[in-house]
Amino acid sequence: EAQVTQNPRYLITVTGKKLTVTCSQNMNHEYMSWYRQDPGLGLRQIYYSMNVEVTDKGDVPEGYKVSRKEKRNFPLILESPSPNQTSLYFCASSFFTGSKNIQYFGAGTRLSVL
Amino acid sequence: GESVGLHLPTLSVQEGDNSIINCAYSNSASDYFIWYKQESGKGPQFIIDIRSNMDKRQGQRVTVLLNKTVKHLSLQIAATQPGDSAVYFCAENGDTDKLIFGTGTRLQVFP
Repeated sequence: EAQVTQNPRYLITVTGKKLTVTCSQNMNHEYMSWYRQDPGLGLRQIYYSMNVEVTDKGDVPEGYKVSRKEKRNFPLILESPSPNQTSLYFCASSFFTGSKNIQYFGAGTRLSVL
Repeated sequence: GESVGLHLPTLSVQEGDNSIINCAYSNSASDYFIWYKQESGKGPQFIIDIRSNMDKRQGQRVTVLLNKTVKHLSLQIAATQPGDSAVYFCAENGDTDKLIFGTGTRLQVFP
């Protein structure tokens, strides 16, 4: 089954404790992206990757890191989480650019930073 | 369930009626548009897409209409069912390498 898999689905942590949210897709997509979703603000892009070893900042990259060492995986790293990073996070993938093709989303990761 | 948006516009329809959800997009250079459905506790799910060389595209029970003159997109759902209850949002690509997402409309279906 074609899918985007995120882990964990739920995470509660404390300020400053490094964490990683994993994302994996099995559709051989070139493009992968991370979004955060907050009430009233819609989906905002954090980082995206057009292919292996190619990553770029989205609209709200501060406080986040990503890596793309393999085509299928695109982890989101919070080196020192802060309460304003409490949010619902989604990973997405698509063929090619991501702007002219369907982006497929994972089920989401609900993060709470205390 | 998780709240996607606390102050989203809401459309309430009776089961069996047709629903029309509207979206105003911002960039006249946008040439690709997508409608997504997001159910409580789930990720956005693709419904239908349309490119700017088309005015209308139909899927199963859904139709998307594109009016480039007024930069307006609509999603029509025929014979709305309880399972259609969700937040719906549109996305456009602007002139960038990314999709720009709207904040969404909540569709509530009552019996």
